[in-house]
Amino acid sequence: DSGVTQTPKHLITATGQRVTLRCSPRSGDLSVYWYQQSLDQGLQFLIQYYNGEERAKGNILERFSAQQFPDLHSELNLSSLELGDSALYFCASSPQTGKGEQFFGPGTRLTVL
Amino acid sequence: DQQVKQNSPSLSVQEGRISILNCDYTNSMFDYFLWYKKYPAEGPTFLISISSIKDKNEDGRFTVFLNKSAKHLSLHIVPSQPGDSAVYFCAASAGQTGANNLFFGTGTRLTVIP
Repeated sequence: DSGVTQTPKHLITATGQRVTLRCSPRSGDLSVYWYQQSLDQGLQFLIQYYNGEERAKGNILERFSAQQFPDLHSELNLSSLELGDSALYFCASSPQTGKGEQFFGPGTRLTVL
Repeated sequence: DQQVKQNSPSLSVQEGRISILNCDYTNSMFDYFLWYKKYPAEGPTFLISISSIKDKNEDGRFTVFLNKSAKHLSLHIVPSQPGDSAVYFCAASAGQTGANNLFFGTGTRLTVIP
């Protein structure tokens, strides 16, 4: 158990809909990262938050947005969903060691029908 | 543009033998390299990392080697055990640039045969 929690575990929805994925980082970690893993792909970085502020952006679509709340949990909002958005979405958090290690949650599997 | 590459999608090894997983990268700004292990329906689990100023880091059965001139790293698992069967991802970060996100390879599926 990494200490990072994600809900829900599975999500099935239709094209055009909007969903929210939730993540709680490990106790004491200020950084939260979101990654997307599509079929047979490596993990692709979407966005990072540090202590409530956006720190870095990766290949995140304009239809996607995220935020980190004062209690440090984070939400990833996906709107106008398309079939191609079906993927595993992982959240990770990292300690302040500066050694690069991140600890991942179990993921949310999103299926868009 | 894939900055971290794992060219072997799969590897099979006999139990007790050495497993060697390879990874290549292109970005010379990477300062930390990491290996993650992933089981189906679970998130990646951190295994071991190495700083770009080192060429070897060891933790139990796992050793990571870094060859900066070749932009290559490898993970050695010895002895291999059936429980090591999983997908292994190589990752890298460029923290000195201010961005700590990880760049992942596409993974190598390791099968350890009893």
